[in-house]
Amino acid sequence: GQQLNQSPQSMFIQEGEDVSMNCTSSSIFNTWLWYKQDPGEGPVLLIALYKAGELTSNGRLTAQFGITRKDSFLNISASIPSDVGIYFCAGLEGKLIFGQGTTLQVKP
Amino acid sequence: DTEVTQTPKHLVMGMTNKKSLKCEQHMGHRAMYWYKQKAKKPPELMFVYSYEKLSINESVPSRFSPECPNSSLLNLHLHALQPEDSALYLCASSQVGDYGYTFGSGTRLTVV
Repeated sequence: GQQLNQSPQSMFIQEGEDVSMNCTSSSIFNTWLWYKQDPGEGPVLLIALYKAGELTSNGRLTAQFGITRKDSFLNISASIPSDVGIYFCAGLEGKLIFGQGTTLQVKP
Repeated sequence: DTEVTQTPKHLVMGMTNKKSLKCEQHMGHRAMYWYKQKAKKPPELMFVYSYEKLSINESVPSRFSPECPNSSLLNLHLHALQPEDSALYLCASSQVGDYGYTFGSGTRLTVV
């Protein structure tokens, strides 16, 4: 089946640092999505990307839809403690498939 | 209303029990989904409903039975579950097509 390779698996950073994570796939997707999940909650949509090459920002978050439609990255600038959580990439081609997640910890 | 509401939030059931999970949305979304998530793992798709009809069943065991009574409601009926079925069950909805999904907060299910 389709699989998404997300990296890094975990990150431990200092408050104020920038963060970058990415996702690759062997299959192409029409849509790439980035979600954040807090403990005990469902994933919350951060950014949706609908066009190859598209670069989209949402506050301190920036994400890009790779030109080959097989990859995407998410950047978080000037991290703050509430950025802590698990970040999932997801590809959508008829159904939503999740990457394995990146666990982000931020040290104040 | 931009929320997906799931009830109950927590459920403990025995292996011989029958219970149901409920999901409701009022965003006019005509696609609804059930996902299962184990600890420290990504959500895994179980079922997809499109226009109230089951369109995808990801080879889920028959002890899980989905139902979509109308465009706002989605149920998951549970019967004779196993302890390994303990997980967070997430409901989501979206417009039909390749659009972002909105997830509920989930039901934390424990089978004893």
